[in-house]
Amino acid sequence: DTAVSQTPKYLVTQMGNDKSIKCEQNLGHDTMYWYKQDSKKFLKIMFSYNNKELIINETVPNRFSPKSPDKAHLNLHINSLELGDSAVYFCASSQGKDSTEAFFGQGTRLTVV
Amino acid sequence: GNSVTQMEGPVTLSEEAFLTINCTYTATGYPSLFWYVQYPGEGLQLLLKATKADDKGSNKGFEATYRKETTSFHLEKGSVQVSDSAVYFCALGSGGSYIPTFGRGTSLIVHP
Repeated sequence: DTAVSQTPKYLVTQMGNDKSIKCEQNLGHDTMYWYKQDSKKFLKIMFSYNNKELIINETVPNRFSPKSPDKAHLNLHINSLELGDSAVYFCASSQGKDSTEAFFGQGTRLTVV
Repeated sequence: GNSVTQMEGPVTLSEEAFLTINCTYTATGYPSLFWYVQYPGEGLQLLLKATKADDKGSNKGFEATYRKETTSFHLEKGSVQVSDSAVYFCALGSGGSYIPTFGRGTSLIVHP
């Protein structure tokens, strides 16, 4: 039973398109995150939600919009995709503040052509 | 703000060699410290953690000690295997906020 699952695993799309990545966790955690990992494996936090409320909104283009319908789900919608958006996007969850162990999804490899 | 500095990779070793990956941090307060491992094509998973000074985290033959005086949390393993080839991330807990901080990752390649 997967703890943090995200779909799709691979996403290839053309510039200018709009796409969504979905994430669900069944751990009962109250905090969820989206990270972007570049080709050099650097992890950059994009957003964090706690109990459906946006806590962190790092400097990302406003083409990226997270949505948390409930505390088990955090989806990422991207408008007007650009070549530079190509990366692996990870969803993660943890319980409470001070980031006790974070659980990561398998990642979504987004390729914009 | 909080930050984590890891040695740059890749680190290339022969099987059964000794491994050290250095990690130092800057933080306010006393955050928890973590090592995560990312195998090819997978997400990060927790390898070990330490929650207070002088704690030693250990798992799968890896260990790291929380050194407050040197603000370090170096990862070590006495004898690496090919299956240890992965990217290793040092991280610190958010110390009361919601922002965990990750290092840049160190790639480890182990040859037979």
